[in-house]
Amino acid sequence: EAQVTQNPRYLITVTGKKLTVTCSQNMNHEYMSWYRQDPGLGLRQIYYSMNVEVTDKGDVPEGYKVSRKEKRNFPLILESPSPNQTSLYFCASSRASGSRFRGANVLTFGAGSRLTVL
Amino acid sequence: AQTVTQSQPEMSVQEAETVTLSCTYDTSESDYYLFWYKQPPSRQMILVIRQEAYKQQNATENRFSVNFQKAAKSFSLKISDSQLGDAAMYFCAYRRSADDKIIFGKGTRLHILP
Repeated sequence: EAQVTQNPRYLITVTGKKLTVTCSQNMNHEYMSWYRQDPGLGLRQIYYSMNVEVTDKGDVPEGYKVSRKEKRNFPLILESPSPNQTSLYFCASSRASGSRFRGANVLTFGAGSRLTVL
Repeated sequence: AQTVTQSQPEMSVQEAETVTLSCTYDTSESDYYLFWYKQPPSRQMILVIRQEAYKQQNATENRFSVNFQKAAKSFSLKISDSQLGDAAMYFCAYRRSADDKIIFGKGTRLHILP
């Protein structure tokens, strides 16, 4: 089944304790991205990646890191989490708009990860 | 900078009626895509409809259709024959072709009244 898998689904942690949210896709998509969803703010893009070793900042990258060492994986790293990073996080992937699969740039989302930082 | 505005935080519609959700965006780009995604209470994000900016024809998917006005930078979603399963948060999204940066609106919560 074509899917985006992110883990953990739920996590409660404390301020300053490094954590990683993993994201993996099995569709050979070039494009992967991370979003946070907060009430009244919609989804905001944190980072995105057009391909292996290529990453770009979205609108809210502060406090986050990402890496794209393999095409299928795109982990989100919070080096020193703070309470304002408490949020619902989504990973998503798709074909790149500029690829020969131009018409296939619809995002496939993971199920979401609820993160609470105390 | 690109922005996406959904001016209706919440809407209600009677079952079987028609409802239109509004979305406006701001961009200086000519090549982009627009999307409507639905988020039901399960939190799963689901594509509703997709529009390519270079196509003048409005996209349709069964009961869902859009009114794409490129000059006005407007991209509204019309849901016909509303069903209880349409109750969800709806997000409008803009995707820039040059670098695939994506911007979402803040969402419209749609209630379906039986």
